[in-house]
Amino acid sequence: TQLLEQSPQFLSIQEGENLTVYCNSSSVFSSLQWYRQEPGEGPVLLVTVVTGGEVKKLKRLTFQFGDARKDSSLHITAAQPGDTGLYLCAGAAGGTSYGKLTFGQGTILTVHP
Amino acid sequence: NAGVMQNPRHLVRRRGQEARLRCSPMKGHSHVYWYRQLPEEGLKFMVYLQKENIIDESGMPKERFSAEFPKEGPSILRIQQVVRGDSAAYFCASSQGATGELFFGEGSRLTVL
Repeated sequence: TQLLEQSPQFLSIQEGENLTVYCNSSSVFSSLQWYRQEPGEGPVLLVTVVTGGEVKKLKRLTFQFGDARKDSSLHITAAQPGDTGLYLCAGAAGGTSYGKLTFGQGTILTVHP
Repeated sequence: NAGVMQNPRHLVRRRGQEARLRCSPMKGHSHVYWYRQLPEEGLKFMVYLQKENIIDESGMPKERFSAEFPKEGPSILRIQQVVRGDSAAYFCASSQGATGELFFGEGSRLTVL
């Protein structure tokens, strides 16, 4: 059974601060995805990383996939109140389906004005 | 282009009753996934279906739960004789192909009294 450990579980910071969320596993994933979920809604895909060592940027968000494809991080620069939400990492084992994902428990981020 | 549609959004059932959750994938998507999100837990994969076929049901409880995706109409997740532990948010996701991006619906929140 593949597991993804996501940390921290809760993060409360002031506007303008930087933060990093971590996602770790002992298993290798063919790809790793980051989602954001608002209360009462479904997860929305932010990014997919596929290659070991890959770095992707989405405005103030930087995503990195570990060289061994077992871990990933999400770094937010100069956080804003609009970044508040639940962030989820999810790994795909690959094979016949990339839609069978193993999710981390999530990080609830609160950015105070 | 409508997204993944789930209904009902909220469902209340008494112990022992049946719950039926419906999911209409995005137009052109023939791959459907069901996930369950229990309180204080992350999303857990339940089942992966294509039209008229169950591809992977390794995450489905062995009893009381069933899923189908008929040739015509939405995918249905059926829970018979519900118990309080079935209370959760059930999310459906669809993709165009086996390796395509997942799009999640807004979820169906089941409460068992």
